[in-house]
Amino acid sequence: GDSVTQMEGPVTLSEEAFLTINCTYTATGYPSLFWYVQYPGEGLQLLLKATKADDKGSNKGFEATYRKETTSFHLEKGSVQVSDSAVYFCALSSGGYQKVTFGTGTKLQVIP
Amino acid sequence: SAVISQKPSRDICQRGTSLTIQCQVDSQVTMMFWYRQQPGQSLTLIATANQGSEATYESGFVIDKFPISRPNLTFSTLTVSNMSPEDSSIYLCSVDFSGETQYFGPGTRLLVL
Repeated sequence: GDSVTQMEGPVTLSEEAFLTINCTYTATGYPSLFWYVQYPGEGLQLLLKATKADDKGSNKGFEATYRKETTSFHLEKGSVQVSDSAVYFCALSSGGYQKVTFGTGTKLQVIP
Repeated sequence: SAVISQKPSRDICQRGTSLTIQCQVDSQVTMMFWYRQQPGQSLTLIATANQGSEATYESGFVIDKFPISRPNLTFSTLTVSNMSPEDSSIYLCSVDFSGETQYFGPGTRLLVL
């Protein structure tokens, strides 16, 4: 079945540092890939998505590229802020109103 | 996207009781989903709810424990029945308008004593 593997946290960075959170997936066919973010005490928000190979999703300075050859969708941001502290979930969907498969989540803490 | 609300936002319940969680969307949607997020864990799908048909449950979840209603295209409820401390979780509903992306509600934080 489908699965998502993402790097374990927590990840602690200083403000303005470069962020990478690794995500790889296993799926049949051509899934859509997502990054969701969960701020403390809140629900999940869609951060970005990519629906086909080589697509780059971007939002709020975050970006991730759908790499079919390496089955990866790594999240990056050039300069993190304290307000980026949250849990980040990599996820995939086979589309057509199918369920979303989530990774285990990576907690990011940004310190001033 | 749309505005998705859940009620209650949080609750503390006694074991053996039941809690019904509501999910309201501000526009019509075909598919609604219910997820559970246990403390410090990722999300697990409980069931998929289509309007006008019975919910489809994932392995490990049964209708007697988690009955779901979907009376119209903007509303659904999930009941957590005969609760035990192991049911303490965040329960989230999500919606999918186009078969491409799911959007999530703010979640209901449940603590069972």
